[in-house]
Formats: sequence, C-alpha cells, structure tokens
Amino acid sequence: GAGVSQSPSNKVTEKGKDVELRCDPISGHTALYWYRQSLGQGLEFLIYFQGNSAPDKSGLPSDRFSAERTGGSVSTLTIQRTQQEDSAVYLCASSLKGGGTGGHGYTFGSGTRLTVV
Amino acid sequence: GNSVTQMEGPVTLSEEAFLTINCTYTATGYPSLFWYVQYPGEGLQLLLKATKADDKGSNKGFEATYRKETTSFHLEKGSVQVSDSAVYFCALSDPSSNDYKLSFGAGTTVTVRA
Repeated sequence: GAGVSQSPSNKVTEKGKDVELRCDPISGHTALYWYRQSLGQGLEFLIYFQGNSAPDKSGLPSDRFSAERTGGSVSTLTIQRTQQEDSAVYLCASSLKGGGTGGHGYTFGSGTRLTVV
Repeated sequence: GNSVTQMEGPVTLSEEAFLTINCTYTATGYPSLFWYVQYPGEGLQLLLKATKADDKGSNKGFEATYRKETTSFHLEKGSVQVSDSAVYFCALSDPSSNDYKLSFGAGTTVTVRA
C-alpha cells in the first residue's frame, strides 16, 4: 500500500481482556517495528522484525505482550489480560531495510489508541 | 547501548523567533540520526535525517548538522510559524553495531504563538 496502515484506529477494552492490533506495512518493506507512546511520554521500542530473521523482542514489557509477522508482511501485536497501564498509542513503522538504511528512513502508521477501562 | 537525550520542553515562542532544540546521542558505532515531528492529532513524520558525520539534513526551513565531535544533532529554524507547533523527536539507529531499531529522545513540545 501507499503507507503503513494500522487497525483499529481506536480500541476501548475492559481490563483483563485480550486485544489484537494489526499493522500492514508498505509493500516491499522488509523491516517492521512496533513502538508504544504513552500519554506525555516518548516512544518506547517494543519489537522489531527483519525479513525471516528471529525478531528482536527486547522491548516487550512483559510476557503478556507478543507479536507475530505472517509471510513477511502483516503483523499482529497481541496484549493478553490487558491492564490499565497498557493504555497508550501503539505505533507501527516499516522501512525498506533494517535500521532505516538506504536513505529511506522509517514510515510510521497513524497508530492504534488503546484505552483499558 | 545507544541512546538519545534531547532538550526538555515545553518551549513557547513567538512567530518569527529562532528555534533550537538540542539533541545529543550515545552510540557504539556509526549511527544515522533523525528528527521526527508529530503535529497535533497526527502521526509521526520524518522531518530530516543525516547518515554520516558533517552531513546536514534540511526540510521545511529546519536544519540539523551531524556533529561527531560533540555527538550532537541540534535542530534549528530561523523563523518559526504557528504551523510549526508540534512535538519534535530526535532519534538514531545504528545498524553498524547491529542495533536496527530507532531509539528516540523524550520529545520536545513546541508552541508558536502568533
């Protein structure tokens, strides 16, 4: 597609429920990243996928968080047993090559605003 | 590890004032440096970038020069407009040390008053 597409754009869920957030990267981009932006905070790295390599999961805050990327394209971020502190905007980005190299940088989606009540 | 430290805000300016947002970094290799901007209600957009020492990135009247000797990438604009009100993030990636993710600063909120 023309840009990075994320869905849903907004999600309100009850504490303890599971949620799935979807990211559709730019076609041909081999690298995909998930970040979290909490209210008034900076951007926190969550996970990075590069081609068929094992993902870098070093930023996932707990084992309630997981992500997968099917067929090297669409990615799903799953949060199990959501807590109120999970409320944030979850951003996905993709790049042509890992590290935003090749001069292309990263393209971000508009994010999913998750509210846990 | 790699990290970015940027000037804390918020910053409030009058139109046509000079803007500087300081950014310094720590990296083990040879990072690429970026400034991203987030306008109210919108997503992150790449503002400018520099991939090696002494490179100058520029866009929309903003400039930043990659200074290896001071490990800095300060953002500047000579005459700001109300439409420049946004949150600005400094970031780096360092593929040379196998760190492919973007590491962001905390963000600086800039408000320009007419």
